Amino acid sequence: SAVISQKPSRDICQRGTSLTIQCQVDSQVTMMFWYRQQPGQSLTLIATANQGSEATYESGFVIDKFPISRPNLTFSTLTVSNMSPEDSSIYLCSVEGGHRGNIQYFGAGTRLSVL
Amino acid sequence: GQNIDQPTEMTATEGAIVQINCTYQTSGFNGLFWYQQHAGEAPTFLSYNVLDGLEEKGRFSSFLSRSKGYSYLLLKELQMKDSASYLCAAEGANNLFFGTGTRLTVIP
Repeated sequence: SAVISQKPSRDICQRGTSLTIQCQVDSQVTMMFWYRQQPGQSLTLIATANQGSEATYESGFVIDKFPISRPNLTFSTLTVSNMSPEDSSIYLCSVEGGHRGNIQYFGAGTRLSVL
Repeated sequence: GQNIDQPTEMTATEGAIVQINCTYQTSGFNGLFWYQQHAGEAPTFLSYNVLDGLEEKGRFSSFLSRSKGYSYLLLKELQMKDSASYLCAAEGANNLFFGTGTRLTVIP
């Protein structure tokens, strides 16, 4: 399994500001995934990030709000832009692995509170 | 469409057995995952079922019925450390769909 480090682990931000979350993996991976987990809700995929190409966003998520960078095969960032209290959530990054290559391994997440 | 249902909360006694059910409706269904998530921590992989039947892995077992769109996670000899949320996730053609999770509390 991969070891995934996420920073920051938590933050409290003001409305209208932006926060960039970093995700570092201990091995090279083709795809990295960004999820959101709102209180009492399921994990929801925001986007898939491939190195060297634009991220692919799921329905309801747009690049202007959640820009993603993927500069190399071990690192990605997710920015939550122009934040509002509705963006308060846990944001997690993940990578695929396992012998079938379809098991998701998650970082510990970033707990974001927007005031 | 996609729909994953699992109970919100369950309580069980240390040493007992508990079964956490999950029903799903997922287009292009490939398989069913179970993850464990302790409060404030990352979800961790428990099991993956592709074929019908029961797969046992130590104290944890997972069952799948593709025809019924149904799975369960069975935890035996419960320990206090098993208190966590258990997430059911259905693998579709292009995506992984998570349930809201079942918060299990193990009491002495």
